[in-house]
Amino acid sequence: GAVVSQHPSRVICKSGTSVKIECRSLDFQATTMFWYRQFPKKSLMLMATSNEGSKATYEQGVEKDKFLINHASLTLSTLTVTSAHPEDSSFYICSALAGGAVNTQYFGPGTRLTVL
Amino acid sequence: EDQVTQSPEALRLQEGESSSLNCSYTVSGLRGLFWYRQDPGKGPEFLFTLYSAGEEKEKERLKATLTKKESFLHITAPKPEDSATYLCAVQVDFGNEKLTFGTGTRLTIIP
Repeated sequence: GAVVSQHPSRVICKSGTSVKIECRSLDFQATTMFWYRQFPKKSLMLMATSNEGSKATYEQGVEKDKFLINHASLTLSTLTVTSAHPEDSSFYICSALAGGAVNTQYFGPGTRLTVL
Repeated sequence: EDQVTQSPEALRLQEGESSSLNCSYTVSGLRGLFWYRQDPGKGPEFLFTLYSAGEEKEKERLKATLTKKESFLHITAPKPEDSATYLCAVQVDFGNEKLTFGTGTRLTIIP
């Protein structure tokens, strides 16, 4: 159980275009999902907390107008990188919070974004 | 400020050579400590959650322990497939589900 998927797994786009990444919890409902960014050989950096039916909470230094997050249902959160530039190239990973007695984050497989 | 430090940064072991990875933390109030395994180009895979000092959990060749200041991930008789980066993360503040991650230990098991 506790499977999280992401789509697409890889995306290459031109500078100035927008890219949408989907994160789905497949076998459980998640009122809270998280979006991370990871640079090569570095740890995960939390970008924002996504709550179903409400606005996302962004970490300090993360531009909310550039990284749009929508959590429209209990199993789907989306991250849209708007007007992408080469410096936005990175590995983006989502996680979904499984509630109950143990509040554990389960992670998706990640999305590799390359902006040319 | 909450801090999580993992050591060593990288570790190379011969197959069958047991060892331990360390995660030390300084937090205002620990709600839970998590261990994840991450393979290259993939998302982290959940291994363990520890909640209180003295707690231990095991899964196959891995055993995680927790004290008031640190956690250890013991690897017994590792195999090449145990090669991965192992991440430690802490959750603090009741009601705040965010995780603070350490920088990880990159483990390589040599056949």
